[in-house]
Amino acid sequence: DGGITQSPKYLFRKEGQNVTLSCEQNLNHDAMYWYRQDPGQGLRLIYYSQIVNDFQKGDIAEGYSVSREKKESFPLTVTSAQKNPTAFYLCASSIVPHNEQFFGPGTRLTVL
Amino acid sequence: AQKVTQAQTEISVVEKEDVTLDCVYETRDTTYYLFWYKQPPSGELVFLIRRNSFDEQNEISGRYSWNFQKSTSSFNFTITASQVVDSAVYFCALSDGYNFNKFYFGSGTKLNVKP
Repeated sequence: DGGITQSPKYLFRKEGQNVTLSCEQNLNHDAMYWYRQDPGQGLRLIYYSQIVNDFQKGDIAEGYSVSREKKESFPLTVTSAQKNPTAFYLCASSIVPHNEQFFGPGTRLTVL
Repeated sequence: AQKVTQAQTEISVVEKEDVTLDCVYETRDTTYYLFWYKQPPSGELVFLIRRNSFDEQNEISGRYSWNFQKSTSSFNFTITASQVVDSAVYFCALSDGYNFNKFYFGSGTKLNVKP
């Protein structure tokens, strides 16, 4: 089955720790995205990548980092510099930028 | 600057009622795309429709229909004969006209359909 997988579904971390969220897609899409969703709010773009070994900051990139070493993988690291990391994180991909984005099931991160 | 407003935070209807979810957008771009997504309780966003700025034809897909009006910068979504399975949060989104990678999402409308 083609789709996007994110792991883990729930993640807990202590303050001051970095944590990496996984995102894998087998749709053969070039573009991949990371969004953050806070309760009662829409999605905000953290980072995106149009092609392997290239990525761009979105609207709220501070405190986050990404890599794109393989077409199918786009991991997101939430660093200790992110002041309020507790949120729902969604990964998405699209075949070309203006097409619809397909989303993974999300990772809920809680900082204890 | 691009912006999407979904003024209805939450709507409750009884099954079989029709319901319209409003979406108003702001952009200075002449080329852009509009989208609707559904987010069920599981959390994963499900794509519903994409519309480009040059196509103002209304669209119908089963019980779903969309009304795009550039004159009022609106892209409203109607569910006819609502069902309990329609209960979800619905998001309207707008793509940036210069960087199509950037989507601007509204804050969402939570739809509760009661049996």
